[in-house]
Amino acid sequence: DTAVSQTPKYLVTQMGNDKSIKCEQNLGHDTMYWYKQDSKKFLKIMFSYNNKELIINETVPNRFSPKSPDKAHLNLHINSLELGDSAVYFCASSRTWTGPVEAFFGQGTRLTVV
Amino acid sequence: GENVEQHPSTLSVQEGDSAVIKCTYSDSASNYFPWYKQELGKRPQLIIDIRSNVGEKKDQRIAVTLNKTAKHFSLHITETQPEDSAVYFCAASRDLGFQKLVFGTGTRLLVSP
Repeated sequence: DTAVSQTPKYLVTQMGNDKSIKCEQNLGHDTMYWYKQDSKKFLKIMFSYNNKELIINETVPNRFSPKSPDKAHLNLHINSLELGDSAVYFCASSRTWTGPVEAFFGQGTRLTVV
Repeated sequence: GENVEQHPSTLSVQEGDSAVIKCTYSDSASNYFPWYKQELGKRPQLIIDIRSNVGEKKDQRIAVTLNKTAKHFSLHITETQPEDSAVYFCAASRDLGFQKLVFGTGTRLLVSP
């Protein structure tokens, strides 16, 4: 009964590969997000989707392509992986996209590019 | 845009002591200030938040204070326990939703028994 679940938890891959991270929430929330947490623990938003529609794209390289097949899922596909993409990627969801809402995070995916 | 600075980056205290983490923000229109706690290897979770129409909010051993004039807000943890050890993030937004939250750089709190 995990609220926000993302897979895989760990991902080790070579430079130049393409990989995907999946995220699902069972909270009935309308809004989902992808955050990147670098080695210094800095949390930075990448994308935000509301009801399957992209509402935020924070100057992320177009090698990163989010896909939301329905409002309960938000997947992240990364093409041509680079060393600098190594980080922990967190999926999150919130009830709505306006107002002071609480976000519920997934457990994170630690991506290591070698 | 909003810029949030957080200090200190690391804080070590003895069990039972108090801990204070401070954040300053740049956008005077920001009016929502949550705090998230991230334990080692786990996900960030909301622990307390405050709106700009309130100067202080308490929840058991944690409290948050806000000074809108000075544009800073603080997290206070009293009677610290080892399980309080974690990274704490402050954030600020104009009440336009979670995606507009700007996070601080985090404070690693270590509580020694």
